[in-house]
Amino acid sequence: EVQLVQSGAEVKKPGESLKISCKGSGYSFTSYWIGWVRQMPGKGLEWMGIIYPGDSDTRYSPSFQGQVTISADKSISTAYLQWSSLKASDTAMYYCARQYRGLWSPIYYFDYWGQGTLVTVSS
Amino acid sequence: DIQMTQSPSSLSASVGDRVTITCRASQSISSYLNWYQQKPGKAPKLLIYAASSLQSGVPSRFSGSGSGTDFTLTISSLQPEDFATYYCQQSYSTSDRTFGGGTKVEIK
Repeated sequence: EVQLVQSGAEVKKPGESLKISCKGSGYSFTSYWIGWVRQMPGKGLEWMGIIYPGDSDTRYSPSFQGQVTISADKSISTAYLQWSSLKASDTAMYYCARQYRGLWSPIYYFDYWGQGTLVTVSS
Repeated sequence: DIQMTQSPSSLSASVGDRVTITCRASQSISSYLNWYQQKPGKAPKLLIYAASSLQSGVPSRFSGSGSGTDFTLTISSLQPEDFATYYCQQSYSTSDRTFGGGTKVEIK
């Protein structure tokens, strides 16, 4: 069974650093891209970026480039999302999701999702 | 950037109604369009991929259509468990696979 299990909720102060995780199981972790999606309170979904754990190729949305860092440790089947200096506006639910690629065509979609990690940034 | 615009942003409907949600892309995205359902406090769930392909396990009352810039998600007969927020997502772009703003389906 494919599962993505995310780390627990975090409460941080502005300016602090943070790294949240997403552990995959039940499939070949190095063969699928993992994406991160932000959902601010009461708002919609925002595509942040993706990483291919096989070679750590990473793509970022222009909106998030330079604001966060996406990484992965394939030895423990885990992807990460990190901030060096949090802001109150980073308060949100963050989801990781596995990106499936069609066998015969470049069709991409998120087929499995983590349960979400709530990040609260407040002084 | 490819912008995805959904309409309406919310709607009220009754059980048994036929519901249609539209999604428009700011440029042609061929058929690289996905639909997700999200219930409160839960992660999104894939319903439709490649504009019209039903994800395994999703009820057949859900269907998708469209290509180019205009797409629709249709629920043929709304069920109580379908009250949720629906999002489209384009997968045409290689580095920013944007979501639409969402459509909340509420009980009338």
